[in-house]
Amino acid sequence: EVQLLESGGGLVQPGGSLRLSCAASGFTFSTYAMTWVRQAPGKGLEWVSGISGGGGITYYADSVKGRFTISRDNSKNTLYLQMNSLRAEDTAVYYCAKLLFGSAAGAFDIWGQGTMVTVSS
Amino acid sequence: EIVLTQSPATLSLSPGERATLSCRASQSVSSYLAWYQQKPGQAPRLLIYDASNRATGIPARFSGSGSGTDFTLTISSLEPEDFAVYYCQQRGNWPLTFGEGTKVEIK
Repeated sequence: EVQLLESGGGLVQPGGSLRLSCAASGFTFSTYAMTWVRQAPGKGLEWVSGISGGGGITYYADSVKGRFTISRDNSKNTLYLQMNSLRAEDTAVYYCAKLLFGSAAGAFDIWGQGTMVTVSS
Repeated sequence: EIVLTQSPATLSLSPGERATLSCRASQSVSSYLAWYQQKPGQAPRLLIYDASNRATGIPARFSGSGSGTDFTLTISSLEPEDFAVYYCQQRGNWPLTFGEGTKVEIK
């Protein structure tokens, strides 16, 4: 069964850091680009970042550029999101998702259950 | 950034009725548009990719159409499990963007 499982969310103070992880199983992880999408409480979906299958190409939304870093360890079938300089507006459920095809510019066919990040003092 | 505008914001219908949801892009995205369904407390589910292709396991009552800037998701006959929020998403340009969603509620 194809599955994504996020972890690492929690409560953090403004200006703090957090690293999210997404463990993948049931597919050849290194073949697919991956992405992070977030959803603030009661709001819509916002694309955050994407990464190519090999990890060499990354993409970021302007709202997180310079603060967040996406990476992956294909030997561990795991995707990461390092979040620094966190702000209240980063409070959201963070989902990892698999791209339907190889490109990072695509539709997201498999989603994790999400992990909640709360930025508050 | 490409802005996706979904309409209506809320659609009130009864089971068995036809639902027509619209997504308009601020500039052409060719056919690079997807639709997702999200129920409360759940992750989104991919319904349609590249405007008109149903994702694996998606019932035939869901169909997508359109190209360029105007797209439509049609649910031919609403089932009780179809009442949810629907989002469109474009992959034609970076950054990838989502619409604000259309809530399909029971009338």
